[in-house]
Amino acid sequence: GDSVTQMEGPVTLSEEAFLTINCTYTATGYPSLFWYVQYPGEGLQLLLKATKADDKGSNKGFEATYRKETTSFHLEKGSVQVSDSAVYFCALRSNTGFQKLVFGTGTRLLVSP
Amino acid sequence: DARVTQTPRDKVTEMGQEVTMRCQPILGHNTVFWYRQTMMQGLELLAYFRNRAPLDDSGMPKDRFSAEMPDATLATLKIQPSEPRDSAVYFCASGLGKGLAGGNTGELFFGEGSRLTVL
Repeated sequence: GDSVTQMEGPVTLSEEAFLTINCTYTATGYPSLFWYVQYPGEGLQLLLKATKADDKGSNKGFEATYRKETTSFHLEKGSVQVSDSAVYFCALRSNTGFQKLVFGTGTRLLVSP
Repeated sequence: DARVTQTPRDKVTEMGQEVTMRCQPILGHNTVFWYRQTMMQGLELLAYFRNRAPLDDSGMPKDRFSAEMPDATLATLKIQPSEPRDSAVYFCASGLGKGLAGGNTGELFFGEGSRLTVL
């Protein structure tokens, strides 16, 4: 079945450092890919998405490119802030069947001043 | 500002008691998901509704869990009897699903969650 694999956390960075959180997926067909973010005590919020190969999703300085050849959707940010500390979830939605969202296990990011 | 509303936000109960969690999806959304989040298992999909019909509840323990949508504005998740291993944060999410022909944005809007503690 469809699945998403994320790098384990926590990822600990200093403010203004470069961020990469790896995400790879297994799916039939051509899924849509998403990154969601969860701040402490809150539900998940959509951060960015890409619906086809080579698409780049971007929002709030975060970017991710849909790489079909490597089945990856790595999240990057050039300069993190303390306020970026959260848990980040990679997810896919198959374009066949019931089209439910399948999430990775989440990666906690801790940014220190 | 449209949002998914969940109640209760926090619930502490004793083993064996019935627990009901409620969710009001965003008006106009036709898909509703129930997820359970724990430190050990992460986010687990429990149930998925489209147009109030259950499409997938394979992730839900059938012997004690049940999920329903009595109407388009209310989704419920019930645990009877509850057990300590059910302690988790339960999230409801809603979205727009237009079916295979029309596609959809895929974006889900999450509620703030119901934190359940079973003693």
